[in-house]
Amino acid sequence: EVHLVESGGGVVPPGGSLRLSCAASGFTFGAEWMSWVRQAPGKGLEWVANIKDDGTEQFYLDSVRGRFTISRDNAKNSLFLQMNSLRAEDTAVYYCAKRGYYGSGSYYNYWGRGTQVTVSS
Amino acid sequence: QSVLTQPPSVSGAPGQRITISCTGSSSNIGADYDVHWYQQLPGTAPKLLIYGNTNRPSGVPARFSGSKSGTSASLAITGLQAEDEADYYCQSYDTRRSHVFGSGTTVTVL
Repeated sequence: EVHLVESGGGVVPPGGSLRLSCAASGFTFGAEWMSWVRQAPGKGLEWVANIKDDGTEQFYLDSVRGRFTISRDNAKNSLFLQMNSLRAEDTAVYYCAKRGYYGSGSYYNYWGRGTQVTVSS
Repeated sequence: QSVLTQPPSVSGAPGQRITISCTGSSSNIGADYDVHWYQQLPGTAPKLLIYGNTNRPSGVPARFSGSKSGTSASLAITGLQAEDEADYYCQSYDTRRSHVFGSGTTVTVL
């Protein structure tokens, strides 16, 4: 059974940093693209970043590019999101998600429970 | 402002059929990218409901179905049940913005 467990969230002042982690189990982690998706309070879902299975390619939402870095450690079945220069608008629940593929595009077939990030002074 | 537009809310009585629309453009759904749907029960993580426009993952009841035409897609729920009260999101790929989600629709069972 696939399990994704996020950790590392918390309260941080504007301009601060946080590092989120996602522990994966139940599948061959090193063979799968992974993503971070966030949800601001009372708002919808927003894709944040993707990373290729071997970690050699990363893609980012325009508003986080240059501030956030997605990475992974396939030996430890772990996904990370380093978040720097945090802004109030980054406040959200951050979900780790595993990607699935069908036809022309990909989707998210498994999600963690999320970790809350609050940017506030 | 979401790239994919959904109605904010849809409601129906138990047993009824409801549909949720997801309207995109020529850079996403109209560019022949697949549409996927998620259900988010209150206080929980999203769950995949439909992938590849019309396919249900194992365990998803047959009363959920999806379709796609042109620059739009739809999710239908037939035989609406109280447990279907949730937020529903469509998702696709956009050539300018990578993965995109719909604005979300809250389903209320009357």
